[in-house]
Amino acid sequence: AQTVTQSQPEMSVQEAETVTLSCTYDTSENNYYLFWYKQPPSRQMILVIRQEAYKQQNATENRFSVNFQKAAKSFSLKISDSQLGDTAMYFCAFMKHGAAGNKLTFGGGTRVLVKP
Amino acid sequence: DSGVTQTPKHLITATGQRVTLRCSPRSGDLSVYWYQQSLDQGLQFLIQYYNGEERAKGNILERFSAQQFPDLHSELNLSSLELGDSALYFCASSPLGTSGRADETQYFGPGTRLLVL
Repeated sequence: AQTVTQSQPEMSVQEAETVTLSCTYDTSENNYYLFWYKQPPSRQMILVIRQEAYKQQNATENRFSVNFQKAAKSFSLKISDSQLGDTAMYFCAFMKHGAAGNKLTFGGGTRVLVKP
Repeated sequence: DSGVTQTPKHLITATGQRVTLRCSPRSGDLSVYWYQQSLDQGLQFLIQYYNGEERAKGNILERFSAQQFPDLHSELNLSSLELGDSALYFCASSPLGTSGRADETQYFGPGTRLLVL
């Protein structure tokens, strides 16, 4: 079974600064996807970024980028130029390829507070 | 807006009762997933349906059941409700959910908040 660990329960950052959230996972699979989802106070789950494990290039979406280290099973999220709207819970999630289903396994989340 | 809709948004009921949560996936998506988010268990996968058939099962209680209809909407039935069933229930959808050939990203609905008193 896969496990996902987010070791930082809470982080704060000043507006316009950069913050990095860590995520590690444990799997014996070789083909899988990794995701970061954002959950603002509205509780909606919003996709931030995704990474295919077979791609060595790190994914980037505007101010959000990841550092994917497959051998180390690490998948960190960097938020650059933090904005007040980035205040939310952030969840790292793992999904393996396969015809037997595509469930997401989530980490426990990191609460990010962006301060003005 | 993800394109996934869930009703109702809020539900308050009593222990022992039965409720039905409804989900409509994004247009064209064949897979529907149900997740439970509670304070003590975090976000947990319950069940996946693909084109009307059960594809994968997670930590879903026997008191819970789900189905996906020909129009691809899905319902999650929760019966003999207990206080511990109070949670936010999410539905998500993806195009296939059966292989890595297409975009397998799951898009979430706004959730149904269930409170069992």
